[in-house]
Amino acid sequence: AQSVAQPEDQVNVAEGNPLTVKCTYSVSGNPYLFWYVQYPNRGLQFLLKYITGDNLVKGSYGFEAEFNKSQTSFHLKKPSALVSDSALYFCAVRDIRAAGNKLTFGGGTRVLVKP
Amino acid sequence: GAVVSQHPSRVICKSGTSVKIECRSLDFQATTMFWYRQFPKQSLMLMATSNEGSKATYEQGVEKDKFLINHASLTLSTLTVTSAHPEDSSFYICSPTTLMNTEAFFGQGTRLTVV
Repeated sequence: AQSVAQPEDQVNVAEGNPLTVKCTYSVSGNPYLFWYVQYPNRGLQFLLKYITGDNLVKGSYGFEAEFNKSQTSFHLKKPSALVSDSALYFCAVRDIRAAGNKLTFGGGTRVLVKP
Repeated sequence: GAVVSQHPSRVICKSGTSVKIECRSLDFQATTMFWYRQFPKQSLMLMATSNEGSKATYEQGVEKDKFLINHASLTLSTLTVTSAHPEDSSFYICSPTTLMNTEAFFGQGTRLTVV
């Protein structure tokens, strides 16, 4: 079984400050890891993914995430947050050995960037 | 990224009526379709998985006779909420995918309100 934990329901940050959204995961085998962002009444937009290779992954809108196998973490980061980054963020995992592309999502973290 | 069209974006219906939600993959062929339900301020809950031309596989606790899924072609899947009740009010999101994709793509979501 696979699972994802996002320990923070909400993260508040001032515009221009660094933003970090935490994610830890559990899978039986090697993971595919993803971050998605959701704006109100919209579907999920893909931000970035880790499949293999460099542990630091760069994605859309200046976001990046670092895969840490020993800590089973995949925290999302942005060096300088914008007010427009305020949204709901989901971490997701897929076991690469599992059939199909079924994702398991974390509970989501609401990010509020204040001007 | 892939283009996914989900329609309608919002629908209000009376109790006892049925509502059909369409999901189209516009620039790729979706061999698999995931349907999710999202409650306010919560994560996505997988309802069912369907493969083109086959019957859908429903997650535990999801009534297959209430949530009818049709995946008749590689570019179109539908979710029909039958005999809707107010507790069916929710945000429904589709996610078409293929074996070639590592990341998932999502429709814009449908806000269903049953009155």
